[in-house]
Amino acid sequence: NAGVMQNPRHLVRRRGQEARLRCSPMKGHSHVYWYRQLPEEGLKFMVYLQKENIIDESGMPKERFSAEFPKEGPSILRIQQVVRGDSAAYFCASSPPGREKRGYTFGSGTRLTVV
Amino acid sequence: GQQVMQIPQYQHVQEGEDFTTYCNSSTTLSNIQWYKQRPGGHPVFLIQLVKSGEVKKQKRLTFQFGEAKKNSSLHITATQTTDVGTYFCAGNYGGSQGNLIFGKGTKLSVKP
Repeated sequence: NAGVMQNPRHLVRRRGQEARLRCSPMKGHSHVYWYRQLPEEGLKFMVYLQKENIIDESGMPKERFSAEFPKEGPSILRIQQVVRGDSAAYFCASSPPGREKRGYTFGSGTRLTVV
Repeated sequence: GQQVMQIPQYQHVQEGEDFTTYCNSSTTLSNIQWYKQRPGGHPVFLIQLVKSGEVKKQKRLTFQFGEAKKNSSLHITATQTTDVGTYFCAGNYGGSQGNLIFGKGTKLSVKP
């Protein structure tokens, strides 16, 4: 039973390029969450998605950032025209359906470095 | 906005000493979760507390949820070097379906 799979583990992009981060939730999990973590900081919520739906994107920057969770395939966090300040670890988490909140299972993260 | 404050930011202990980290929210929480993140790793879910005044134990770890459901603590008895990492609390306010608010974490180092 594979856990939450994120790729790539490390991603280096030059300023102005696009970054695409992928997340495959655990089998049976239909809820996906993206969090950003700066060095020595906590995790900051970005977006919550279910299949083909964005449920809560209150933590997403208004520009350059977008997320999707298509019917088929992984969830994608896309950052256009990256800047140095986008350098961070991006973690994806998933949870099973149901109103009762359960602990999230996190992936290993993607460490994005913008040079 | 909703915020979860966590203290201390860092804690250095001698192996065998106890350790406690505290979380506080200005508003009532629906539930609170605790996670551990090893250096270079990802957060790993430890436990969820839901009821007012709830206390749960996992071996040397004791988790408490305050009576007013605004604060929580994690206490580790007789720390070991394997306890090293950052401990995060994460509050759920119930209104948002998926927005867990994380504290900034307490980074624990244990000197053998």
